[in-house]
Amino acid sequence: GAVVSQHPSRVICKSGTSVKIECRSLDFQATTMFWYRQFPKKSLMLMATSNEGSKATYEQGVEKDKFLINHASLTLSTLTVTSAHPEDSSFYICSAVRGLQGFFYEQYFGPGTRLTVT
Amino acid sequence: GQSLEQPSEVTAVEGAIVQINCTYQTSGFYGLSWYQQHDGGAPTFLSYNGLDGLEETGRFSSFLSRSDSYGYLLLQELQMKDSASYFCAVHTGFQKLVFGTGTRLLVSP
Repeated sequence: GAVVSQHPSRVICKSGTSVKIECRSLDFQATTMFWYRQFPKKSLMLMATSNEGSKATYEQGVEKDKFLINHASLTLSTLTVTSAHPEDSSFYICSAVRGLQGFFYEQYFGPGTRLTVT
Repeated sequence: GQSLEQPSEVTAVEGAIVQINCTYQTSGFYGLSWYQQHDGGAPTFLSYNGLDGLEETGRFSSFLSRSDSYGYLLLQELQMKDSASYFCAVHTGFQKLVFGTGTRLLVSP
């Protein structure tokens, strides 16, 4: 099966600092990656769509200057939370889509990153 | 807007059958998927329905009625390890998913 990794799995940072989260597809090339945010016992909320070599597409209400996304290669996308505040504390999950598969496609999810801002 | 509604919690005993419903209202529809997520873990894919009807994958089955904007996930021969959260997700556009509110399933001995 397809494997997606995230690093770090957990991070604690101080308010005002920036944090970078990496998402890698380990055994396939991902033309598209997605970033989600999940609060405890809540659903996954799509933040942005990341396409290799182009600018990310952000969902309504997501601040693009706060959540910087870079998709530098077909196997790596990064999410940087800039000037983090306690309300940014959350579980961030990425997913990757393998190639083009028509309308049905499976998103392979990473294990998530637990961000705590103190 | 987009909305996918699921029951918040379902409880059942080992060996039983449980059905988790999902009603949706989205701006685009290209199919309905189901995901399982254990606490602190990543969502894992369970099934996909692109057309009306029932899809069966082992102990799990999923049903879709596009005219009713409704689907369900059926879990049979429940096991303790099935205790998790289950999410329906609509494919609203090219490769894009919108997730439901999630259902927490608790399986007891």
